[in-house]
Amino acid sequence: LAKTTQPISMDSYEGQEVNITCSHNNIATNDYITWYQQFPSQGPRFIIQGYKTKVTNEVASLFIPADRKSSTLSLPRVSLSDTAVYYCLVGQEAGTALIFGKGTTLSVSS
Amino acid sequence: NAGVTQTPKFQVLKTGQSMTLQCAQDMNHEYMSWYRQDPGMGLRLIHYSVGAGITDQGEVPNGYNVSRSTTEDFPLRLLSAAPSQTSVYFCASSYPDRVGTEAFFGQGTRLTVV
Repeated sequence: LAKTTQPISMDSYEGQEVNITCSHNNIATNDYITWYQQFPSQGPRFIIQGYKTKVTNEVASLFIPADRKSSTLSLPRVSLSDTAVYYCLVGQEAGTALIFGKGTTLSVSS
Repeated sequence: NAGVTQTPKFQVLKTGQSMTLQCAQDMNHEYMSWYRQDPGMGLRLIHYSVGAGITDQGEVPNGYNVSRSTTEDFPLRLLSAAPSQTSVYFCASSYPDRVGTEAFFGQGTRLTVV
């Protein structure tokens, strides 16, 4: 599985757009990029997944450049409730045998 | 639809005791996994299963056993609890309709070994 590197922490204010970048230089051809969100005392929750270009859902957007060696999770107009740890995962395992890094702790202030 | 249900939510064990953490899912998912999360760390894979009767080891399998006799249940057994196994344990399930699909996680079991 490809190793991922993401910032340990980020700070933001309510209403701002937050972009969290993840590096995955050794991504394989069949690998997908998946982001999970985890609140304190809860299990991780799936946010978004993509293979290339751009994916958007009701929660976030995921931008993947052509070389796929990095990806950016974009959270539009964050609120206090977006304070959480965000994990970037790369791999082709169908939702099992996931390898998590330490994630990015996002703190949103008013 | 309950999703992934873990029991108990909290447990305190004495060193050397054994116990089973329960995990059940009602989504007919073939894939199930167990993870542990230590303070300030990401989740680490303990064991996983791709179907009934099939299990495999993850990153940190020592001290844990699993079995998968039904699609719905995937219990995790601690054979002889040690303080190093104090952690929060998460169970997850997913359906392999294609590669890269999402996993659904339970609410976790907070285990303390004294």
